[in-house]
Amino acid sequence: EVQLVESGGGLVQPGGSLRLSCAASGFTFSSYEMNWVRQAPGKGLEWVSYISSSGSTIYYADSVKGRFTISRDNAKNSLYLQMNSLRAEDTAVYYCARDSYDSSGYYPRCFDIWGQGTMVTVSS
Amino acid sequence: SYVLTQPPSVSVAPGQTARITCGGNNIGSKSVHWYQQKPGQAPVLVVYDDSDRPSGIPERFSGSNSGNTATLTISRVEAGDEADYYCQVWDSSSDHYVFGTGTKVTVL
Repeated sequence: EVQLVESGGGLVQPGGSLRLSCAASGFTFSSYEMNWVRQAPGKGLEWVSYISSSGSTIYYADSVKGRFTISRDNAKNSLYLQMNSLRAEDTAVYYCARDSYDSSGYYPRCFDIWGQGTMVTVSS
Repeated sequence: SYVLTQPPSVSVAPGQTARITCGGNNIGSKSVHWYQQKPGQAPVLVVYDDSDRPSGIPERFSGSNSGNTATLTISRVEAGDEADYYCQVWDSSSDHYVFGTGTKVTVL
C-alpha cells in the first residue's frame, strides 16, 4: 500500500524550532518529487515547500523562505521539514504530499498521495 | 503572486448538479487540479489536468477550463460529496504551487 506517515508535530514556543518527518512506503520514493502543504485551523490549504527527487531543486513559499528547510534521505525513504523561528501563524496541520508522475515522464504538477498530517502549534 | 478565487460555499440538492468555479488570470493556459477534503481527513485528488480523473474517482466528477475560469462539476450529487473542494495550479513564473481559497459544498 502506498503510504505517507508524518511525525514530529507538537507544541513549541514562538521563536522555537521543530523538525517534521515523513516516512514513505509502498512506492519508489527516490523517483518522486515531494512537498509539504499546511492547513491552519479552519483555513484553506497552503503549499509550503517542494523538493525534487534528487534533492537538487528546492522551492519555498514566501511565507516560510529563510526559516524552513526541506530535505530528503532517499536511502531512508524519508522527507523532512526543519522549521526555525516559528511564529503563531505557522500553527497548522502539516501534510507531506507526493508530486504526481507517470511512467512516460510527464509531471502534471499535482499531489496524488497525501499523508494524514501532523499538528504544529506555536504558542507561549 | 498568482491568485485563485473560489466561492466560499455552494449548496445543492441530492441528485442535482454542483458546479464549483475557480477564477484566475488566464487560468485557461494552465493545468488545473481539484481536491476533495472531508472534515478531519487529508485532501484527495479528484480531477487533474483540467478534466482527467485518477483511478477510483467516480465519473460524476468532471472538470473544464477556459479563459479566466475553471469549473469542477459534480453530477448526481450524493450526501457523501459534502466536503471542501480546492483548485490548484503550478505557477511557473514564481515556481510556486497555488491553491484556491476553497469551496464548501453542502448537500441539502
